[in-house]
Amino acid sequence: SQKIEQNSEALNIQEGKTATLTCNYTNYSPAYLQWYRQDPGRGPVFLLLIRENEKEKRKERLKVTFDTTLKQSLFHITASQPADSATYLCALRNSGYSTLTFGKGTMLLVSP
Amino acid sequence: DAGVIQSPRHEVTEMGQEVTLRCKPISGHNSLFWYRQTMMRGLELLIYFNNNVPIDDSGMPEDRFSAKMPNASFSTLKIQPSEPRDSAVYFCASISGASNTEAFFGQGTRLTVV
Repeated sequence: SQKIEQNSEALNIQEGKTATLTCNYTNYSPAYLQWYRQDPGRGPVFLLLIRENEKEKRKERLKVTFDTTLKQSLFHITASQPADSATYLCALRNSGYSTLTFGKGTMLLVSP
Repeated sequence: DAGVIQSPRHEVTEMGQEVTLRCKPISGHNSLFWYRQTMMRGLELLIYFNNNVPIDDSGMPEDRFSAKMPNASFSTLKIQPSEPRDSAVYFCASISGASNTEAFFGQGTRLTVV
């Protein structure tokens, strides 16, 4: 069956360090993978998208890698700040007209 | 654009009652998704519409759940009869076109069935 797995345990890091979150998937052939941020009481907000033929994507302090052989994406936040504390979700879509499926998310806590 | 609009924001109902959740997607977006989020199961896809047509409803839990999209600017998710295990936050999201673009989420409806 199809699965998207993210670390269920919260990631605690110190301000200024790099946070690395993992998304693993099985039985998918995603056309692209997305990362979202969700704050308590709010809907997820889009951060980055990476296509199947891309290895790496950057946006300001964010970096995403996508390894279709390992079936894994890594999400990095450099120079982390307390304001980065939130739950981060990865999502996969096999094609333009298929469903968009999310992992359960990983909570990130950045302490000052 | 005001974004994806969901109503109500909060709903408390008694077991057995009918509940209707509403969603207005962003104008021009032709894909609409309904999700349910709980601590245990995360964000589960319930149903996906494209151009107002249900494409995948395999996530709808059972016959008590139904969803409609009568036009491009409105969708409803109905639960009849509601049960305590339906308590969750329900999100609606819309996407522009079939290309690899982002999903825009509403603020969600927090449903509590007592």
